[in-house]
Amino acid sequence: EAGVAQSPRYKIIEKRQSVAFWCNPISGHATLYWYQQILGQGPKLLIQFQNNGVVDDSQLPKDRFSAERLKGVDSTLKIQPAKLEDSAVYLCASSLNRGGRAPDTQYFGPGTRLTVL
Amino acid sequence: GQQVMQIPQYQHVQEGEDFTTYCNSSTTLSNIQWYKQRPGGHPVFLIQLVKSGEVKKQKRLTFQFGEAKKNSSLHITATQTTDVGTYFCAGPVNAGNMLTFGGGTRLMVKP
Repeated sequence: EAGVAQSPRYKIIEKRQSVAFWCNPISGHATLYWYQQILGQGPKLLIQFQNNGVVDDSQLPKDRFSAERLKGVDSTLKIQPAKLEDSAVYLCASSLNRGGRAPDTQYFGPGTRLTVL
Repeated sequence: GQQVMQIPQYQHVQEGEDFTTYCNSSTTLSNIQWYKQRPGGHPVFLIQLVKSGEVKKQKRLTFQFGEAKKNSSLHITATQTTDVGTYFCAGPVNAGNMLTFGGGTRLMVKP
């Protein structure tokens, strides 16, 4: 079974530029997550999708970050314009969503390491 | 502020020594998950605990969920160099099933 795919793996941009990340979840996984992981910290959830609908985006800085999952499969996360503090690894994860009370196991992709100069 | 705390932040051990990391939540959790992230890698799911006082073992790893379901621990017996990495706990602190991750404990093992 293929894992979660992400691209690019690395990106270096200057502040005020725009950047986009792509994620392809595990086939059949209804739930998709985007996390931001700053060096030395735990992953912080930015947005969670259930199929193509947003479940939670309370921690997404909406003035500069946007995300979409139009067909309920692939997803893109965009930052426009980027700031120095956006330097981090952006992780995509997916889960089956069995519909139970407990959170499902999340399977993470390799991440995109963003450096903003 | 951070709602899931882990201690210690870092731990150096000699190969063969034991290691324990502790996780504390500001709220009662319905369940808790543990992940391991190797250096340069991504988090990988280890286990989920659901019941109060639950103890689960995976070879040399022992996971425990507190009676009040507000804390958890991971104990590794006789560490090996393959245990190197950062161990994160995560739980649904807020309403819904969204996970909040702790800051992690970075384990370094000296051969």
